[in-house]
Amino acid sequence: AQSVTQLDSQVPVFEEAPVELRCNYSSSVSVYLFWYVQYPNQGLQLLLKYLSGSTLVESINGFEAEFNKSQTSFHLRKPSVHISDTAEYFCAVIKAAGNKLTFGGGTRVLVKP
Amino acid sequence: EAGVAQSPRYKIIEKRQSVAFWCNPISGHATLYWYQQILGQGPKLLIQFQNNGVVDDSQLPKDRFSAERLKGVDSTLKIQPAKLEDSAVYLCASSRQPGQASINEQFFGPGTRLTVL
Repeated sequence: AQSVTQLDSQVPVFEEAPVELRCNYSSSVSVYLFWYVQYPNQGLQLLLKYLSGSTLVESINGFEAEFNKSQTSFHLRKPSVHISDTAEYFCAVIKAAGNKLTFGGGTRVLVKP
Repeated sequence: EAGVAQSPRYKIIEKRQSVAFWCNPISGHATLYWYQQILGQGPKLLIQFQNNGVVDDSQLPKDRFSAERLKGVDSTLKIQPAKLEDSAVYLCASSRQPGQASINEQFFGPGTRLTVL
């Protein structure tokens, strides 16, 4: 079975500073990788995903994540955060031949002015 | 396009009572999921439907939890009787293509926050 570890449960960061959210996964088979964002009192929204091809994937609001197979990681980064990025971020994996998303424990990002 | 709808948004009950949650997926989405999200943890899949059939319910505590999707559209999740440890947010999600969850985005509803006293 696959598992996902998000090493940081909370990340406080000042506005316009960079942020990196760490995600490591464990799986014996190929996986697809996802980052979801959950804004306060809202449902989960897909931020970006890695299925194949370029290991660097980007979202429309400035986030990017890089798939590193050798390190089994899929860290999320943004070079300059906004107050509106305050949310909880979840890394998730699914087996390439499977149908069940496995989520990490989440990282709460608090952007301070 | 309307999103995934869930009701109620909040529910407070006492232990040993029963509770039911409702989900209406995005129109045309064949696959429906129920997740349990305990405070401080990531969502955990409880059950997955494809149309009105169960694909995966391996993590559903079947002695107290039940779910149905009779007409292949909306779904209900029931807990009977509830325990203190059932306090969580219950998320419903849907996706378009059956059997291809790995490459089709799951759209999540706002969730139902259950508090068991």
